[in-house]
Amino acid sequence: GENVEQHPSTLSVQEGDSAVIKCTYSDSASNYFPWYKQELGKRPQLIIDIRSNVGEKKDQRIAVTLNKTAKHFSLHITETQPEDSAVYFCAASRDMDSSYKLIFGSGTRLLVRP
Amino acid sequence: DAGVTQSPTHLIKTRGQQVTLRCSPISGHKSVSWYQQVLGQGPQFIFQYYEKEERGRGNFPDRFSARQFPNYSSELNVNALLLGDSALYLCASSLEGTAYQETQYFGPGTRLLVL
Repeated sequence: GENVEQHPSTLSVQEGDSAVIKCTYSDSASNYFPWYKQELGKRPQLIIDIRSNVGEKKDQRIAVTLNKTAKHFSLHITETQPEDSAVYFCAASRDMDSSYKLIFGSGTRLLVRP
Repeated sequence: DAGVTQSPTHLIKTRGQQVTLRCSPISGHKSVSWYQQVLGQGPQFIFQYYEKEERGRGNFPDRFSARQFPNYSSELNVNALLLGDSALYLCASSLEGTAYQETQYFGPGTRLLVL
């Protein structure tokens, strides 16, 4: 069945360092890959997404890369700040069957130490 | 411009009871999806509705049902509640419900506790 694996489950970095979170998906038909940030007790917030027609996308300190051959995608956060501390979820979706069904990874708890 | 709204914010029920959760999508959005997020895990897809029709269903028992109204708001119903139904229930909306072409936005969720 469809599955998204996410690593690591926890990540602790020093303020100013970079953080990388990796996800692997099983459904080769997946073509949309969003990343969500969820702070404690709050809703998931979309921070960046990538579609299968590109290999990389960047938005200020955040970037996502996609390797369709290997079926994995990664989130890169540079110059981390304490407010980046949260749980990050990757997800994958395909719309071949015209549905918007996101399959989420299990999450990465990022802690940025001041 | 209001985002996705959900009610109630919190709910406590006992085993065997029934619950109804409500969601209002962003204005102009026609697609609503429901997710269950158990503590410490990623959200799991339950249903998607578009133009009042079910467009997708996740791997949940028949105790879970949903519907969408002409104004695109939606309700999620869960019957015969089990302890394992305790979770944060998230609603998400998008314009037309096609992942490749648009973004999906989440509501704040309803936290359900089953005792």
